[in-house]
Amino acid sequence: DIVMTQSPLSLPVTPGEPASISCRSSQSLLHRNGNNYLDWYLQKPGQSPQLLIYFGSNRASGVPDRFSGSGSRTDFTLKISRVEADDVGFYFCMQSLHTPKTFGQGTKVEI
Amino acid sequence: EVQLVESGGTLVQPGESLRLSCAASGFIFSDYWMTWVRQAPGKGLEWLASINEDGGTKIYVGSVKGRFTISRDNAKNSLYLQMNNLRADDTAIYYCARDSPQSYYEDWGQGTLVTVSS
Repeated sequence: DIVMTQSPLSLPVTPGEPASISCRSSQSLLHRNGNNYLDWYLQKPGQSPQLLIYFGSNRASGVPDRFSGSGSRTDFTLKISRVEADDVGFYFCMQSLHTPKTFGQGTKVEI
Repeated sequence: EVQLVESGGTLVQPGESLRLSCAASGFIFSDYWMTWVRQAPGKGLEWLASINEDGGTKIYVGSVKGRFTISRDNAKNSLYLQMNNLRADDTAIYYCARDSPQSYYEDWGQGTLVTVSS
């Protein structure tokens, strides 16, 4: 199975400041169609996960533009340009190229 | 509006069986793959199983293969997860999710809690 490794696992943040989370895959997530099958989810306290980013860099519908994703093949990054209080929760990356789909361990973002 | 509502979670003893359900609405259920994902208390997410549009293709993670069975009833817009020989480490919130054609999960249910304990 593909192993997804996130860092850091805990990220204290300051409102208004930027934040960044790394996700590394044990195998390439680049499909021959040119898309990287790497998604980012945010799970706010007491809620179900919500999709933030798909194909490594595409924001999901309704996601603020302060969230951005980048990277290719095995190395990916989620950036928040200016953290807001509502951004706290667990951030997970997930690879959707290989079966079984696998998630990173999660990064706890807290103010 | 897409809605996914899980049910069936409860407290069971080790070795027992349980069937979870997920009622779908707001979209043409028979047009989508569907998936079960779980989250143990305080832990990360684990993809468990997916089923294709007509139920003819099912894929599982190794840790549940042979114990869990995913199924669907398109006439009832419902997804199921039959769980047999439950163990303490199956204790988790179980989510159903709708697969997008691009393989991500844009729609999730609220989850149902399964507790396996004697």
